[in-house]
Amino acid sequence: NAGVMQNPRHLVRRRGQEARLRCSPMKGHSHVYWYRQLPEEGLKFMVYLQKENIIDESGMPKERFSAEFPKEGPSILRIQQVVRGDSAAYFCASSPVGGEYEKLFFGSGTQLSVL
Amino acid sequence: GDSVTQMEGPVTLSEEACLTINCTYTATGYPSLFWYVQYPGEGLQLLLKATKADDKGSNKGFEATYRKETTSFHLEKGSVQVSDSAVYFCALRNFGNEKLTFGTGTRLTIIP
Repeated sequence: NAGVMQNPRHLVRRRGQEARLRCSPMKGHSHVYWYRQLPEEGLKFMVYLQKENIIDESGMPKERFSAEFPKEGPSILRIQQVVRGDSAAYFCASSPVGGEYEKLFFGSGTQLSVL
Repeated sequence: GDSVTQMEGPVTLSEEACLTINCTYTATGYPSLFWYVQYPGEGLQLLLKATKADDKGSNKGFEATYRKETTSFHLEKGSVQVSDSAVYFCALRNFGNEKLTFGTGTRLTIIP
């Protein structure tokens, strides 16, 4: 059973471009969480999704950021018109059921660098 | 709001040394507390947890005790190994909330 797969591992974008980060949850997991780690800071919650539903997006910036978790395929975190301040490590986690932290698994993260 | 303050790193120790990584928290209510570990090139993994005051979480020789009076959850190990080299994150989750609140992480390097 493969773990949580995130790709790409490293993503370089110029200011103004779009960044698309992908997260394939573990098999059988229907709950996905996205976290962001800015330099010198802890991981910060961004969004919690179930298949085709956004459950909690209270940590998402109001503009330029969006997330989806379609019925088929990976969860996507999209950042439009990236700025230097978006440079960070983005982590995805999945679980079979919400709130069961023993069964919450994280991916290795995507390091986004904005030039 | 909820917050977690973690001992700054990096921390470098010799093999078989004693380890303590400090973690204190601020939260309303009665949160659950966690330590996660990230080995090089891998995702975060749950190391141990405690859900109420005076609970002790333990795993792989690591321990942490939920101290409500000092709002702390320090990570300890009596004798570290080279394979313990990783980044350690303290985190909390408040009741009824799906979010984890993390500390900044502490990079631990064990030298033979």
